[in-house]
Amino acid sequence: QQQVKQSPQSLIVQKGGISIINCAYENTAFDYFPWYQQFPGKGPALLIAIRPDVSEKKEGRFTISFNKSAKQFSLHIMDSQPGDSATYFCAATTGWNQLIWGAGTKLIIKP
Amino acid sequence: DAGVIQSPRHEVTEMGQEVTLRCKPISGHDYLFWYRQTMMRGLELLIYFNNNVPIDDSGMPEDRFSAKMPNASFSTLKIQPSEPRDSAVYFCASTLGGASYNEQFFGPGTRLTVL
Repeated sequence: QQQVKQSPQSLIVQKGGISIINCAYENTAFDYFPWYQQFPGKGPALLIAIRPDVSEKKEGRFTISFNKSAKQFSLHIMDSQPGDSATYFCAATTGWNQLIWGAGTKLIIKP
Repeated sequence: DAGVIQSPRHEVTEMGQEVTLRCKPISGHDYLFWYRQTMMRGLELLIYFNNNVPIDDSGMPEDRFSAKMPNASFSTLKIQPSEPRDSAVYFCASTLGGASYNEQFFGPGTRLTVL
């Protein structure tokens, strides 16, 4: 019940295309859903986050879509660029600062 | 602020040796986390501290692993004795607790190779 399931494991998208990464959870007590971005040789860094009282949050080319009834949320990267190539992690928490992490998605943007 | 500082960045050791990883969190942060990342298991939380006190160490894989936080600006993760399956990247992260969730800031990691 504490798991966050992330898919796909890897994703290849052409430059300019839309990248979509999906996550699902079971614990309805989760109240904060961040996405972290990790470049090779670096630690993860917060990209964007959402609370369950909104269905969508957009920051530049990055959008989180949240479906509370389905217990799913997804990251959309519009106009994907080679610089977006990284590993993306979804996560969830009940506010105790302890994140429950997805398994990660390795995204490759082909020029 | 310099961010979360970890040392060493790379460590190569032989099986059976003691390994000590170090972390300096961001000043003022009261939560500190130790993670391990491998291809097979992804990002795993090993232990976290609040105000220098260990809160949850259920992720520590074995008694060979131990972590301490003697003060607000320093933490260590020790593996003794080390084994080849401990090879991974170990991250330290810190955050400021409060009424609402705050971003975890990660260090650059320590890549550990146990031969």
